Amino acid sequence: AQSVTQLDSQVPVFEEAPVELRCNYSSSVSVYLFWYVQYPNQGLQLLLKYLSGSTLVKGINGFEAEFNKSQTSFHLRKPSVHISDTAEYFCAVKTTGGSYIPTFGRGTSLIVHP
Amino acid sequence: EAGVAQSPRYKIIEKRQSVAFWCNPISGHATLYWYQQILGQGPKLLIQFQNNGVVDDSQLPKDRFSAERLKGVDSTLKIQPAKLEDSAVYLCASSLGPDKETQYFGPGTRLLVL
Repeated sequence: AQSVTQLDSQVPVFEEAPVELRCNYSSSVSVYLFWYVQYPNQGLQLLLKYLSGSTLVKGINGFEAEFNKSQTSFHLRKPSVHISDTAEYFCAVKTTGGSYIPTFGRGTSLIVHP
Repeated sequence: EAGVAQSPRYKIIEKRQSVAFWCNPISGHATLYWYQQILGQGPKLLIQFQNNGVVDDSQLPKDRFSAERLKGVDSTLKIQPAKLEDSAVYLCASSLGPDKETQYFGPGTRLLVL
């Protein structure tokens, strides 16, 4: 079975500052990795995903994430945040074989202050 | 392209009553997921369908929850009888396939059990 740990439940940051949201996972097999964003009262939307190849993945809205296999991490970064980035961010994994059951982290609330 | 549709958006019931949620996935998506998202937590997978077959329902409380996807298209999730701890947002998602494909989420049904 796999698990996902999002180390920060809440990350406050000022507008135009850089931000990093941390995600670590545990799995005995290879995984696909995803970051989703959830705005208030809405469903989740995919930001980016790592399937294979280059460990640096670029997504929508200026976000990027780096897969680090040795540290089993997939941290999300943005060099300059906007007020509109205030939302809940979820890291998720799926195994690359078997039933591909998705597992989500508890989420990190990004709060951008003016 | 139409997104994942869910209804109702909100539901308030008393404990021990029954409730049903409906989901219509994106056309052509073979995989359908139901998640429970309790306030302040990440989505927890309840059941995953591949066409009209169940791939995983290991976290579905089968004594009170049931789900079906009879024709491999839309799906219903039922709770009978409801408990206070069932208060949550119920998210439906779909994807082309179960593996590396992106999940597309509906807006969710917010359930309050009194």
